[in-house]
This record gives sequence, C-alpha cells and structure tokens, in this order.
Amino acid sequence: EAGVAQSPRYKIIEKRQSVAFWCNPISGHATLYWYQQILGQGPKLLIQFQNNGVVDDSQLPKDRFSAERLKGVDSTLKIQPAKLEDSAVYLCASSNMDGELFFGEGSRLTVL
Amino acid sequence: GENVEQHPSTLSVQEGDSAVIKCTYSDSASNYFPWYKQELGKRPQLIIDIRSNVGEKKDQRIAVTLNKTAKHFSLHITETQPEDSAVYFCAASLPGFQKLVFGTGTRLLVSP
Repeated sequence: EAGVAQSPRYKIIEKRQSVAFWCNPISGHATLYWYQQILGQGPKLLIQFQNNGVVDDSQLPKDRFSAERLKGVDSTLKIQPAKLEDSAVYLCASSNMDGELFFGEGSRLTVL
Repeated sequence: GENVEQHPSTLSVQEGDSAVIKCTYSDSASNYFPWYKQELGKRPQLIIDIRSNVGEKKDQRIAVTLNKTAKHFSLHITETQPEDSAVYFCAASLPGFQKLVFGTGTRLLVSP
C-alpha cells in the first residue's frame, strides 16, 4: 500500500514569513496526526484529527499555527508568522484501526 | 496531560549484549504503549507495542514488559546487532488511541 505522503520535504524561510505543509494519509486511515520533532527530541503532538474533526489540539500554538482537514482526507499545516524556534521536522502520521501510526518522511523546516 | 519519561538518553553496548530501555507514564488511563525505532534522517517506525491487558509481549529478539501498578514499561533487546543502532522512542496513549505522547528518546549504539 502507498505510504503517508508529505510535501515539501525541505523548506527554508526567514522569520516572520509563512509556510504550509501538506499531508496525504494512507487510504482508509481515519485518524491523522501532525507532530513536531525538534532535533534531538521526541515527536511532540501538535494536532490529531478523526476524519475532519479535531480530537486534540491542546499543544498547537494557535496564535501562529493552524491546521485543517476539510474533506477528511488530506491535511494542511500552516505556520504564520514563523519564529526561529519553529525550526524542526514536521511529521504527519495516520493510523489504522489497531492504532499503529504510519509516519510520512517529514517536512524539514529551517527558519533563518 | 500525559507525560512520558524515558531512560537512559544514550546506551552503548557490545554486539551480542542485551539492551534495556525504560519508560514511565503519568496518566493511569493510558492503555496503549508502542515503541518506535528511528534511524538517522528517517521516519519513526513501529517495532513492537503492548496494550494494558497484557504484561509482556515478545517478537523474536525484542520484548516489552508493562507494569500498570508502577506505571512503567520497558523495551528489551537481546543479542544486539550493529543494525539495532538507532534512536528508540516509547509512547503512551489514552483509550481510543488518543493523544499518543512520545518519550524523549534513547540513542542506542551497538559496537561490533
């Protein structure tokens, strides 16, 4: 089966600019996650969707981050305006009925 | 919310030795505990998981144990091989696979 697709793989922007990441989960996976992984740390959950509804976004910095999954399939994560501390890999994952998460390759963001 | 602590942060062993990584969690309602392996520059991949209705699970050289009373779980790798070298993350989630929270990671180095 096809895996979780993410784009772009790499993005370099200056602080205060905006950026958007796209994710297409594995077909049939109702649950979609966005994680932020800063170098040397574990993935931190930003937002979890079940179909097109938000299950948890308690750690999403809502003043600058937003995410949507309008049709319950693919999702977009946006950062506006970006800060230096947003430099990280943004991992999208989807899960099957057993709860196993399948991660995408990630989108590496560098904020200068 | 859930907090997952992981130790040690780095672990060096000789090929053929055993390696043990330990995690503790804070939310007694958590009932799903997966372990992920992340090689340098790659996505995390599930290697084994355990649910709260069992105390131990084994898959070839890898085993996981769970102590619900103490709220800790451990990963055991026997007969380690150089290809086991990677960063390992534990995680815990609430019922319904909600809010999967990761530990801080353990960098395992297996020397030939």
